[in-house]
Amino acid sequence: KQEVTQIPAALSVPEGENLVLNCSFTDSAIYNLQWFRQDPGKGLTSLLLIQSSQREQTSGRLNASLDKSSGRSTLYIAASQPGDSATYLCAVSGGTDKLIFGTGTRLQVFP
Amino acid sequence: EPEVTQTPSHQVTQMGQEVILRCVPISNHLYFYWYRQILGQKVEFLVSFYNNEISEKSEIFDDQFSVERPDGSNFTLKIRSTKLEDSAMYFCASSGRRGPTDTQYFGPGTRLTVL
Repeated sequence: KQEVTQIPAALSVPEGENLVLNCSFTDSAIYNLQWFRQDPGKGLTSLLLIQSSQREQTSGRLNASLDKSSGRSTLYIAASQPGDSATYLCAVSGGTDKLIFGTGTRLQVFP
Repeated sequence: EPEVTQTPSHQVTQMGQEVILRCVPISNHLYFYWYRQILGQKVEFLVSFYNNEISEKSEIFDDQFSVERPDGSNFTLKIRSTKLEDSAMYFCASSGRRGPTDTQYFGPGTRLTVL
């Protein structure tokens, strides 16, 4: 059974820092991995999707990498801003319809 | 930009009552999903729906739950007899395709409180 874990659970950093969020999964047979952002009381916004055949994806200040063989993904956020404060979720798809989510990393960026 | 919408944003109900949560997926999407998130816990898959039938469901999605696409735009989740443990945030999602490039687009959620 696929299990997805994210560390750290919470992170508080000053504005401008580069930071790395980690996601690990137990079954390497995945279709893709997605990173989402969740603001308090709001829905999930898809940030990046990495197909199983890819090693990384970039969007603006965000870069996500995937190492399928070791069951790991990282989300790198460059030059963090207070507006980046949110919970970041990773989710894997194993080729069926469902996404399996991690517990998330709650990020706070203070001015 | 097209988005998934959900109504109501917050629903309060008494235990044992029926509730219907409504979603309007992105208009040209074909695949529809419901997830839920109990406070402080992971987002969990409930059910997926394609071509007017359930394509996959989780253990959570028992006989108390049903889904329907009553017309060309709405997608609903019905809970027949709510329990206290059904209190959660319910998210609807849709996607235009299946496969490795599939991105599921999520709505803002309905917070269900069962008293």
